[in-house]
Amino acid sequence: EDQVTQSPEALRLQEGESSSLNCSYTVSGLRGLFWYRQDPGKGPEFLFTLYSAGEEKEKERLKATLTKKESFLHITAPKPEDSATYLCAVQAMRYGGSQGNLIFGKGTKLSVKP
Amino acid sequence: DAGITQSPRHKVTETGTPVTLRCHQTENHRYMYWYRQDPGHGLRLIHYSYGVKDTDKGEVSDGYSVSRSKTEDFLLTLESATSSQTSVYFCAISAGAGYGYTFGSGTRLTVV
Repeated sequence: EDQVTQSPEALRLQEGESSSLNCSYTVSGLRGLFWYRQDPGKGPEFLFTLYSAGEEKEKERLKATLTKKESFLHITAPKPEDSATYLCAVQAMRYGGSQGNLIFGKGTKLSVKP
Repeated sequence: DAGITQSPRHKVTETGTPVTLRCHQTENHRYMYWYRQDPGHGLRLIHYSYGVKDTDKGEVSDGYSVSRSKTEDFLLTLESATSSQTSVYFCAISAGAGYGYTFGSGTRLTVV
């Protein structure tokens, strides 16, 4: 069964205190791993897609990395505006109607204090 | 979000009544999805569509039905609403395999 586990559930940081969020996954053939950001009362917003182990993507203070078993979202010198819930999702290699629906983790709620 | 809208944004309904939520897209994407999001459960797939009149069940489809008569519209119907269906419902669209999803702003549904 395809599964995604995110840790920690919640993370509190001081502004400027770098850290990492973890996404562990089990999937029978990975097509892609996706990171989203979700602000309260809004829909998830796409951040990155990673397709193969060793791949890295960066956007401002965020950097996503991928291994064969997990992905990390590194946050460098975070600011209060980085506070949000970060969701990880995997897409398995499937064919036919579904083409591999995204399976989401439960998210990590990040709070960055000034 | 650009290209995808959900309606209504908020709804309060009584137990036992039918409810229909609408998702409209202007991106001409083939794939459309309905998710519900609940504390402690994350996003769970209800139903999805891979083309006009082509739909299939997700992991939490009991009590829900969908229809897609046009590329741009995907409707989610709660046949007889129950309190356990109180949730935030998100619609998403995708261009296909390997592409991420674009989500709507959500519908907060309360069943009293």
